[in-house]
This record gives sequence, C-alpha cells and structure tokens, in this order.
Amino acid sequence: SQTIHQWPATLVQPVGSPLSLECTVEGTSNPNLYWYRQAAGRGLQLLFYSVGIGQISSEVPQNLSASRPQDRQFILSSKKLLLSDSGFYLCAAGTVPLYEQYFGPGTRLTVT
Amino acid sequence: AQSVTQLDSQVPVFEEAPVELRCNYSSSVSVYLFWYVQYPNQGLQLLLKYLSGSTLVKGINGFEAEFNKSQTSFHLRKPSVHISDTAEYFCAVTTFSGGYNKLIFGAGTRLAVHP
Repeated sequence: SQTIHQWPATLVQPVGSPLSLECTVEGTSNPNLYWYRQAAGRGLQLLFYSVGIGQISSEVPQNLSASRPQDRQFILSSKKLLLSDSGFYLCAAGTVPLYEQYFGPGTRLTVT
Repeated sequence: AQSVTQLDSQVPVFEEAPVELRCNYSSSVSVYLFWYVQYPNQGLQLLLKYLSGSTLVKGINGFEAEFNKSQTSFHLRKPSVHISDTAEYFCAVTTFSGGYNKLIFGAGTRLAVHP
C-alpha cells in the first residue's frame, strides 16, 4: 500500500518569505500526484496535479507553483507568501485504475 | 462539470445513536464515489468506495454507504456511533480528464458525537 510523507508538519512564515513544502510517496511507481489546500473550516481545493516527472497542471491561478523532480517527489513552492496562503496543505497520490487517492498527514502553514 | 453537495455542514448526534450523512452528486454518467474521514489536524483517510457492483458498500469503522443512481446520492450511514467517530467527513466523486483522475470533494460534514 502507498505511504505519503509530508514535511514539515507545521510552518510559520512571515509575509513575503519563500515557501517549500515537500511530499514523497512510497509503495508505488508512477503515481498521479496532487496538492490540495484546505482553508479553516472549509473543503479541499485542488491546486496542482501531476501525471509524471516534470508534468504539472495548475487548477487555480495563484501565488504558488509546483514541481516534480522525481517520480515520487512533489514540491509546492512560493517566492513570496501572502496572508491568504495560510491553510492546511495536503499531498495525495493516486494510481489508475484504482481511482481513489491516498493522502499524506498534511502541513499546517501560518503566514503572519 | 461534476459537483458534490453535502447537505449538512454539521450533524450532532448522541453516542450509540444511528447517523446518516447525506451526499448528492451532479452527473448521471458512470461515476466512482468515495467517503473520506478527517480527524483534527490529520490527512484524509479513505472510509469506503463505490466503483461498481453491489450498491451497498461497507467500509472501515462500521460505516456503510448506498449508491442510488436514480437519486444521484451516496449517503453514509452507521447504525451506532462512538465518541471516536467525531470528525469531518468528505464525499468525493471521480472525474476523468486527459488520462488522469481528479477527485471533486464536497464541502464536508462535521459529525459531533456527544455522550
């Protein structure tokens, strides 16, 4: 079965600082990878997805970017954080034809 | 476009009582449906899924859900809840585009089990 690792678990960053969140996957090859954001008390918003190394698709135009330098590594970045970037960031992996996605433990980001 | 509606944002219930969390989806074409649970400050855990076959799906922790194609619903049920079931529950449906699958999530239902 798949295991999704995310770090850091929590992060407090000032406005205007850079961001790098990392996600790694164990137990599967060539997964589809996803970044979601969950604002306080709200549902999940899909930010980025990737079907392979170097292949990134953005769902929502914003201050963030994603990269996939290795098959099982997915990175979420920002050059300058905004207050509105605060939230709970979840990485997920899915494989066809199982269709479901498996989630990591999440990173709680607070921008001050 | 696919959408998922969870009709109740919060559901309070007493321990050992039955509970139903409601979910409706928008499309009538073939769909794959999921329920996830999220405990505070944790990721999402898959409770159960419907891909095909029997419309009554059993999952972990005593939960089950029934797929109703005519009503485009996938309600989650548990006959007797425990305090430990207090969590946020998300219904999701798969949509396919360009060879990959995306999950469309509902807004979530917060289940609060009281002693």
